[in-house]
Amino acid sequence: GQNIDQPTEMTATEGAIVQINCTYQTSGFNGLFWYQQHAGEAPTFLSYNVLDGLEEKGRFSSFLSRSKGYSYLLLKELQMKDSASYLCAPTYSGAGSYQLTFGKGTKLSVIP
Amino acid sequence: NAGVMQNPRHLVRRRGQEARLRCSPMKGHSHVYWYRQLPEEGLKFMVYLQKENIIDESGMPKERFSAEFPKEGPSILRIQQVVRGDSAAYFCASSPGRSNEQYFGPGTRLTVT
Repeated sequence: GQNIDQPTEMTATEGAIVQINCTYQTSGFNGLFWYQQHAGEAPTFLSYNVLDGLEEKGRFSSFLSRSKGYSYLLLKELQMKDSASYLCAPTYSGAGSYQLTFGKGTKLSVIP
Repeated sequence: NAGVMQNPRHLVRRRGQEARLRCSPMKGHSHVYWYRQLPEEGLKFMVYLQKENIIDESGMPKERFSAEFPKEGPSILRIQQVVRGDSAAYFCASSPGRSNEQYFGPGTRLTVT
């Protein structure tokens, strides 16, 4: 498998910053997706990183280190609506490169 | 500009019945992927189809499950003789090409009683 590891649950306060980490297997690694999934809904695309470094997109940023097999999603100015599961999905080159492989996700609870 | 559509959104079947899940990809998308999300688990890839072709079904259980994407009409995921363990959310995604930039539908929640 791709040995995707991310925390199961996190809690943060409205207005704060939270970092959700993800580690994965590096062999054959191509790029990494982050998706947001509200309870009972479809995953929605947040970011896709291929190169090392930080990519910022509004309140959400995503970081990738290819050599370390590590990524994080940074959420700033947290809002109550950010309470959701955040799914890390590395992709790998080869015949099954279209297969998104999801971890179990990190359930984020934003509290007042 | 409709996104990926799935129906039904909720489906209840008794053990031994058949379940048919439908997926209409986004306009202009000819590649469809099915994923299953068991309770408290991550999404798992099941099958990848293009029009009239199954490209990769490596994630599909060998028995009772089948998928198709005909020339006309939606993609169908068919589960015969359902068992309680089939209870899950089944998500369909589509892409314009053989790509991993996939757009997900709202899912079908199957409950087997």
